[in-house]
Amino acid sequence: DTGVSQNPRHKITKRGQNVTFRCDPISEHNRLYWYRQTLGQGPEFLTYFQNEAQLEKSRLLSDRFSAERPKGSFSTLEIQRTEQGDSAMYLCASSYTGEAYEQYFGPGTRLTVT
Amino acid sequence: TQLLEQSPQFLSIQEGENLTVYCNSSSVFSSLQWYRQEPGEGPVLLVTVVTGGEVKKLKRLTFQFGDARKDSSLHITAAQPGDTGLYLCAGAGRGSTLGRLYFGRGTQLTVWP
Repeated sequence: DTGVSQNPRHKITKRGQNVTFRCDPISEHNRLYWYRQTLGQGPEFLTYFQNEAQLEKSRLLSDRFSAERPKGSFSTLEIQRTEQGDSAMYLCASSYTGEAYEQYFGPGTRLTVT
Repeated sequence: TQLLEQSPQFLSIQEGENLTVYCNSSSVFSSLQWYRQEPGEGPVLLVTVVTGGEVKKLKRLTFQFGDARKDSSLHITAAQPGDTGLYLCAGAGRGSTLGRLYFGRGTQLTVWP
């Protein structure tokens, strides 16, 4: 399977703990995106990378959130000191630079903060 | 602020019926995408429309992009239970926001056998 993969698929954590999610994009894609989706809403943009460079960050991405893509391949999204409001589905997508609008999504990581 | 408004929010129909869902905005987009999402899964790309007035067909699904590139519609002919899902439209940013997609809240479609 050459689609976007995300791990873990589900994560339950206690408030105040740190969590890290991983995304492996489609191998030929040089752009990688992170979105967050809460119940009843469409996905909301968080940040994106072109190769290893983080080119844009949303205001939704507070100081507790950090994303990396160290070698321009997989990416990690870390949330420090989780809060109940962080409970959501975290989605990763990838695309070619030339067709940046055609973003292909992974299955997501469902985070529940108790 | 929701840049894209989708209607209706919920749609429940019988197998074999036709339906249309709408995606409207006051903003112009460089392109517009339609996705379908199943519970607990990521959105799956159905189609991209780029040119104002463009019409694309995907089997029983017909997608149209408005002339001014601010709105779009999705028409399904003879709906089947397998069409059940959350249909999301997404507009691609322009200029400094070129990398991001702006999503609507979606239309939850249920097709009963």
